[in-house]
Amino acid sequence: QQQVKQSPQSLIVQKGGIPIINCAYENTAFDYFPWYQQFPGKGPALLIAIRPDVSEKKEGRFTISFNKSAKQFSLHIMDSQPGDSATYFCAASYGFQKLVFGTGTRLLVSP
Amino acid sequence: DTEVTQTPKHLVMGMTNKKSLKCEQHMGHRAMYWYKQKAKKPPELMFVYSYEKLSINESVPSRFSPECPNSSLLNLHLHALQPEDSALYLCASSQLGMNTEAFFGQGTRLTVV
Repeated sequence: QQQVKQSPQSLIVQKGGIPIINCAYENTAFDYFPWYQQFPGKGPALLIAIRPDVSEKKEGRFTISFNKSAKQFSLHIMDSQPGDSATYFCAASYGFQKLVFGTGTRLLVSP
Repeated sequence: DTEVTQTPKHLVMGMTNKKSLKCEQHMGHRAMYWYKQKAKKPPELMFVYSYEKLSINESVPSRFSPECPNSSLLNLHLHALQPEDSALYLCASSQLGMNTEAFFGQGTRLTVV
């Protein structure tokens, strides 16, 4: 119930492509869904976040789509660049202190 | 300043050693966290402090001992660790309240030999 399932495990796209990362959850008490980006040797950094009363949110080239009835959400990266190559984690939380992370997706954007 | 600073960046310790990891933030955040991250795995929550008091302990072994001496500092004291405790230890902080952003430090890479 506390798990957040994330797929794919790894992803390779060409520059300009649109990688899509998917996550699914079971616990309907989750009410906050952030995405984190992590570069090697660095801590995770918040990319974008969404609440379940919103179906889509865009920030720059990053878009979250949220399907509350299916308990699924996804990250789209428009016009992907080699600098976007990183590991992406979806996460979910309820209350304000317990973040549950997905298993991570290693993205490689080839030039 | 949106930085969470962790020291040291790298640490190698023997199984009989005692060491401490340090974390500092000056964003006025009253919630601070320790996470453990193994290679190619997501971060896993260890401890949460709210208003300098321990509010969540995720059943972490007693060889890990957290301390929050004031609202800006968080320590993790390590004693009698095992090689399987080798990991990236991440500190984070956030405002208290619903759905607030957690800011992570770059972590301490710990190797237990």
